[in-house]
Amino acid sequence: LAKTTQPISMDSYEGQEVNITCSHNNIATNDYITWYQQFPSQGPRFIIQGYKTKVTNEVASLFIPADRKSSTLSLPRVSLSDTAVYYCLVGDYGAGSYQLTFGKGTKLSVIP
Amino acid sequence: ETGVTQTPRHLVMGMTNKKSLKCEQHLGHNAMYWYKQSAKKPLELMFVYSLEERVENNSVPSRFSPECPNSSHLFLHLHTLQPEDSALYLCASSQVGLDTQYFGPGTRLTVL
Repeated sequence: LAKTTQPISMDSYEGQEVNITCSHNNIATNDYITWYQQFPSQGPRFIIQGYKTKVTNEVASLFIPADRKSSTLSLPRVSLSDTAVYYCLVGDYGAGSYQLTFGKGTKLSVIP
Repeated sequence: ETGVTQTPRHLVMGMTNKKSLKCEQHLGHNAMYWYKQSAKKPLELMFVYSLEERVENNSVPSRFSPECPNSSHLFLHLHTLQPEDSALYLCASSQVGLDTQYFGPGTRLTVL
């Protein structure tokens, strides 16, 4: 299983761009990188997923370098409601395979 | 109801009690998961059911017993739990062969 490492916490002011990096040195060829967001006492919510290069959706961008040993979640112009724990997840989602690894998560605090 | 629902949301039980957690998904998925989230620890995958068959059992103590009667319902039967089993238990579902997991709100379990 690919182990992930993330910063434990980050602070940011409202309106700023936030970048959270996840290290996954042992990522396997078939592994995808997925980020989830979790508010207190709620289940995680899918944010974005990628395999290589860059992926963007209406919520965030995900940057993955060529060696895929790390990835960076970018949240543009954060607001107070973005205060949450962000998890980096590396796993092979191919049919019949359920090897998942959650990081410890990064607690993002957005300051007014 | 939509999404993934879990009942009860909160549960307090003694070590000699027997209780069950229920999860229901309304997304037409055919894979369901149980996770455990303890304070200051990463999410731990406990059980995976794919097409109503258990495909993953990550060394979970036998005092936790899952049941998947159909693709929409998942249960976690609890008996003779220990105080260290107190945690947030999360259910998730996905489509086999695809990857995004949708989580329920969780059951906050306290074992006295």
